[in-house]
Amino acid sequence: QLQLQESGPGLVKPSETLSLTCTVSGGSISSSSYYWGWIRQPPGKGLEWIGSIYYSGTTYYNPSLKSRVTISVDTSKNQFSLKLSSVTAADTAVYYCPRHTYYYDSSGYSRIDAFDIWGQGTMVTVSS
Amino acid sequence: QSVLTQPPSVSAAPGQKVTISCSGSSSNIGNNYVSWYQQFPGTAPKLLIYENNKRPSGIPDRFSGSKSGTSATLGITGLQPGDEADYYCGTWDSSLSAGKVFGGGTKLTVL
Repeated sequence: QLQLQESGPGLVKPSETLSLTCTVSGGSISSSSYYWGWIRQPPGKGLEWIGSIYYSGTTYYNPSLKSRVTISVDTSKNQFSLKLSSVTAADTAVYYCPRHTYYYDSSGYSRIDAFDIWGQGTMVTVSS
Repeated sequence: QSVLTQPPSVSAAPGQKVTISCSGSSSNIGNNYVSWYQQFPGTAPKLLIYENNKRPSGIPDRFSGSKSGTSATLGITGLQPGDEADYYCGTWDSSLSAGKVFGGGTKLTVL
C-alpha cells in the first residue's frame, strides 16, 4: 500500500529557507500515471496548493508562490522535496505531500485532477 | 479569500441528507473536474469524490457529487455522527493565475 511521509525541520527562522522531503514507500515515484504535490494549511484555515512535480522533473507551481518555491525529485531515493525561500510568519502551516492524478484538457495541457493519497502532514512554524 | 465559494457551515440531524455547495466560474469549475475532500481535526484530507461524481474505492455510496455549470455539489445521505468534519472542494483554474484551487471549506455538524 502506497504511503507518503513528510520530514524536515519543524521550526524555521524568518527570511530563511524552509526545506521538506516527502518519502514514497510501497510504490514507485516513477509511475507515469501520477504527479506528486505539496499542499499547505495554515492553522485554522483552508488548503493551499503549492506546486507539483512529475518523476521526469516537470514542475508547475502556484503563481502566488512561484518566485519562492522549488520542487525537485530524486527517483533513486523515491523522494521529492520542497524548498520555500524567504519565509515569514505567513508561511506557518501544516505541509502535506499528496499524490495526484492528472488529465489533459481540450488544448492538450495537463491539469491536476484529484489528490488521492496524502502524507500525514508536518507542522512548520516560522519564528525567531 | 478563496477562488471557490463554499458555505462556512451546514448542519443536519443523523439519518438526514445534507448538501454542500461549491461555486466558481467558467475558468475553474465550468471547464474542469471537481474533487471533494473530507478532513477530520488534526488529520490529512481524504479524497471523497473525483472527476465531479466518481467515488474512490472504499468510499460509501452515501457520498455523491454533481456539477452543473459553474457550481458543484457534494451530497451526503444517511448522516452519521462520524461524518462530522470539514469538507473542501477543489478544481483547476485556467485563468492567468492558473493552478489548483480549493474552496474555503465547510464545517458539517451532525446535530
